[in-house]
Parts: sequence; structure tokens; C-alpha cells
Amino acid sequence: DQQVKQNSPSLSVQEGRISILNCDYTNSMFDYFLWYKKYPAEGPTFLISISSIKDKNEDGRFTVFLNKSAKHLSLHIVPSQPGDSAVYFCAASAMRIQGAQKLVFGQGTRLTINP
Amino acid sequence: ETGVTQTPRHLVMGMTNKKSLKCEQHLGHNAMYWYKQSAKKPLELMFVYSLEERVENNSVPSRFSPECPNSSHLFLHLHTLQPEDSALYLCASSQVTGGYNEQFFGPGTRLTVL
Repeated sequence: DQQVKQNSPSLSVQEGRISILNCDYTNSMFDYFLWYKKYPAEGPTFLISISSIKDKNEDGRFTVFLNKSAKHLSLHIVPSQPGDSAVYFCAASAMRIQGAQKLVFGQGTRLTINP
Repeated sequence: ETGVTQTPRHLVMGMTNKKSLKCEQHLGHNAMYWYKQSAKKPLELMFVYSLEERVENNSVPSRFSPECPNSSHLFLHLHTLQPEDSALYLCASSQVTGGYNEQFFGPGTRLTVL
């Protein structure tokens, strides 16, 4: 039972265009969502997050949109750059345990930015 | 050293060996986590420590034994593993607060069990 799903294993985008990565979830108790980026041979790096009280959060070229009724979030990267080529993971949190969080991750989407 | 470090980066072991993975965070955090990433599967949370106390064991077999001697160090002791335990093991840390905070990850240990 996968609670967080990234249905596109890969995405290819032209440099300078918009990259849109999608994530769906099933657990309505999730109230905090994060995007991580992972390069080969490195650990995931935090990119951007959003709490369930918002529907949009923006940080430079990165914007995350949350649609609670559809249980869907997306990450927009504009403009896309070659250095954005990586695997992107969506993660969600429903509870804190003594201040620590339980994150549930999607399978990841490999983004390739073509020059 | 900065961030979250993990050693070794690669480990090959037989099923009868005993080995340990080490994680150290230099961020002043007080929650630490072990995750497992198998091929073509999402990251799976294994253990959570908050303020040096284990607060979550996510149905992990007893052949994996975590240890958190202080808020900066986390170990994963391995014994009598199976080939299906071959995976990337990631350590993460975060700050314990009343709100939400992102977790910071180490580079991982690539484990191969023969």
C-alpha cells in the first residue's frame, strides 16, 4: 500500500522550459509535504516544502503547489537548467513522534534537462 | 566536516559477518533516522531516534540493531544479513521542534550482502 506515488519514473525537458513533477498521495492525514533532489552517489537534498494550510510555496525557480481536494502536489522548476538533472523525491509527513517526523517517500522521478 | 557524514560508503559482507554502519551529524540536530532504499523502491524509514531515545522501529528485523550513543552519532549494527538486505542505507537528522522541519541526509552506505 503505497501512500505517496510519483507515477512518472522519468521526465525529459528542454533547457529554459518549465519542468513539472507530480506527486499523488492517499493519506488525508498528511499535513506537510517536501521535495528532495538526489544526484548519483549523494544523499537526497532538501529542496522545498509546503504545509497543508497553504496551496503554494515559492523559492526562486522552484514552486510547489498543493491541491488537497485532489490529494496532489506538483513541483515547478522555471527555467530548467542542466544542473537540475537529478532524481526528485516527493515526501509527506502525517505525524511527529516526540518532535521527530515520519516521512513517507514516493519512488522518485528522474528529470533530465536537455541543452 | 559539515552536514551529515556516513562511513563506510561501500560495504560488502557475507551472511555470517557482523558489521556496523556509522553516521555523524554536525548540524546540532537532536533527531536521527535510518532509511533503506532498495532498487526501484521508495525510501523506507527503519528507525527514528529523538533526543537519543528510540521512538520508532518500523517493523525492522532484529538482524538490524540501531544505537544512538549521543545526539550526534548513530550506528546500525548488522549481523546474519540476507542477500535481499543489499541496499543503500541512508542516515538523516533533523531538529526537534514544535513545528515541521526538513531532514538532512548523508550520502549513504551502499551495502552488498553475498
